[in-house]
Amino acid sequence: GAGVSQSPSNKVTEKGKDVELRCDPISGHTALYWYRQSLGQGLEFLIYFQGNSAPDKSGLPSDRFSAERTGGSVSTLTIQRTQQEDSAVYLCASSLEARGWDEQFFGPGTRLTVL
Amino acid sequence: AQSVTQLDSQVPVFEEAPVELRCNYSSSVSVYLFWYVQYPNQGLQLLLKYLSGSTLVKGINGFEAEFNKSQTSFHLRKPSVHISDTAEYFCAVSDHGNEKLTFGTGTRLTIIP
Repeated sequence: GAGVSQSPSNKVTEKGKDVELRCDPISGHTALYWYRQSLGQGLEFLIYFQGNSAPDKSGLPSDRFSAERTGGSVSTLTIQRTQQEDSAVYLCASSLEARGWDEQFFGPGTRLTVL
Repeated sequence: AQSVTQLDSQVPVFEEAPVELRCNYSSSVSVYLFWYVQYPNQGLQLLLKYLSGSTLVKGINGFEAEFNKSQTSFHLRKPSVHISDTAEYFCAVSDHGNEKLTFGTGTRLTIIP
């Protein structure tokens, strides 16, 4: 079956612009996660959604970052007024449910470059 | 709060030699432990996981890891590596009752022909 897909694969933007990153999870997966992967920093948790529950936003680095998940499926991560330090690969993952033992399936990522 | 330490950022190994990638975690409660692998230009995929029971877990591609509670470690091993094992390997932990994974900074495994 289809895996997690993300778009765009690459995004170059100018400092101060807003960007939207999209994630399509595996069909039937109720949990969806966003991570940021910076060089030498590993994966940094940003936010996760579980079904219709309120999302856990505890990892968002600033109020310039927000995410929504429409209809329990597709998710969009929005970064407003981008800064150069936002440059990174943004990864989306989904799992059957948000349980600590569930395998997370990752998308290929969106590489964001802020000039 | 949970945390993961991967002390080795890069590990070069000759082809067909054994390898061990180290992972130590910190948590005040019981944990689930994972190793994910990221091949060049690909997304992360699960290599293996420890949930409970036997402390030695086997994963894909001949890898295995051993959970050591007293040393709070979950080292990854393979007895004989191949060129195709070149990748970045991430250790991750989640506390029981916590839905979030905490990842280490990764270890880049380079196989020398």
